[in-house]
Amino acid sequence: AQSVTQPDIHITVSEGASLELRCNYSYGATPYLFWYVQSPGQGLQLLLKYFSGDTLVQGIKGFEAEFKRSQSSFNLRKPSVHWSDAAEYFCAVGPLEKLTFGTGTRLTIIP
Amino acid sequence: DADVTQTPRNRITKTGKRIMLECSQTKGHDRMYWYRQDPGLGLRLIYYSFDVKDINKGEISDGYSVSRQAQAKFSLSLESAIPNQTALYFCATSGGAALVNEQFFGPGTRLTVL
Repeated sequence: AQSVTQPDIHITVSEGASLELRCNYSYGATPYLFWYVQSPGQGLQLLLKYFSGDTLVQGIKGFEAEFKRSQSSFNLRKPSVHWSDAAEYFCAVGPLEKLTFGTGTRLTIIP
Repeated sequence: DADVTQTPRNRITKTGKRIMLECSQTKGHDRMYWYRQDPGLGLRLIYYSFDVKDINKGEISDGYSVSRQAQAKFSLSLESAIPNQTALYFCATSGGAALVNEQFFGPGTRLTVL
């Protein structure tokens, strides 16, 4: 069965600092991997996705993620966070019609 | 204009009441989904539909039913609401299997069952 683990429930970083959010997955084949962001009171917005090809994926808002098959990971990174990045972030794996989401990481930005 | 809309956005109801949550989309997508989100649990799939005649149970379908009235409309019903169905409910859509795509989410419906 497919599964996703986001080990960090809550992360706090200073504005301008770098960010890495962790995601580990379990999947029987080559995974489809996604990162979504949920701002307070909003629905989910796709940041980036990986289906195949280059393992370093660029997304919107300056985010990137790297697929590492050997580590079953798909960590999200941003070199310099902005106050507007405060939100909850979800990693998801699976075929598009049956995504499994992680439990989310809440990101707090301090001035 | 929003591509995926959900009504109502907020609803408070009582135990035992029948509730319907509605989802409409203007993206022309065939596939539609209903999820619930609970704090600390992420999103869990309730039902999904590949077209009007194809409806499938998800991970947590017990206590819920759905209706796909048209390609653009997918409703979720709670026949007899109970307090542990208090959650944030999301509708999502996606294109067909041949498309490298993503799921597009509505803004959510916050449901409270007293």
